Amino acid sequence: AQSVSQHNHHVILSEAASLELGCNYSYGGTVNLFWYVQYPGQHLQLLLKYFSGDPLVKGIKGFEAEFIKSKFSFNLRKPSVQWSDTAEYFCAVNPIRQAGTALIFGKGTTLSVSS
Amino acid sequence: DTEVTQTPKHLVMGMTNKKSLKCEQHMGHRAMYWYKQKAKKPPELMFVYSYEKLSINESVPSRFSPECPNSSLLNLHLHALQPEDSALYLCASSQGGGRGYGYTFGSGTRLTVV
Repeated sequence: AQSVSQHNHHVILSEAASLELGCNYSYGGTVNLFWYVQYPGQHLQLLLKYFSGDPLVKGIKGFEAEFIKSKFSFNLRKPSVQWSDTAEYFCAVNPIRQAGTALIFGKGTTLSVSS
Repeated sequence: DTEVTQTPKHLVMGMTNKKSLKCEQHMGHRAMYWYKQKAKKPPELMFVYSYEKLSINESVPSRFSPECPNSSLLNLHLHALQPEDSALYLCASSQGGGRGYGYTFGSGTRLTVV
């Protein structure tokens, strides 16, 4: 069965520190890849997505992610975090098949940024 | 219109009640999804409708009953729920399952079962 692994359960950083959240998936075929963020009490927001082309994708709020096909990875990065980045971060994978293939989510990483 | 609209935003229901959650999109997407999300947990897939037909049911208890009346609407009928069913229920839609198709999520219905 396909799965998505997020290595870090809880990350604690100070403001201005750099961030990297790991995500690996297990699916041998073609995939669409996503990172979502969920601020406390709010709904899911799309940070960025990768479909094809340049493996380094840029998203909103200064986030970027790199797709490394050989490592089945899609890690999220931000050079300098802010207190407002405190949130839950979910990596998600969509195996390319027929219509109606659902997103598979990782367990999430809680990011806490102290000012 | 690039949104998925879910109503109601909040719902409190008793264990003997019958209620329905509604989801609507006008983007022409042909796949629609119901997810359940508990606090600090990832969304868990419940149902997938593809071209208005139920294509995936992730072993969800029968007290949850999905319905897709047309390509723009998705309902989730609730009956005899348990307190542990309290969660955020998310609806999503996508154009398809191929390369380049993203997902649009609604803001969810926060359900409390008392």
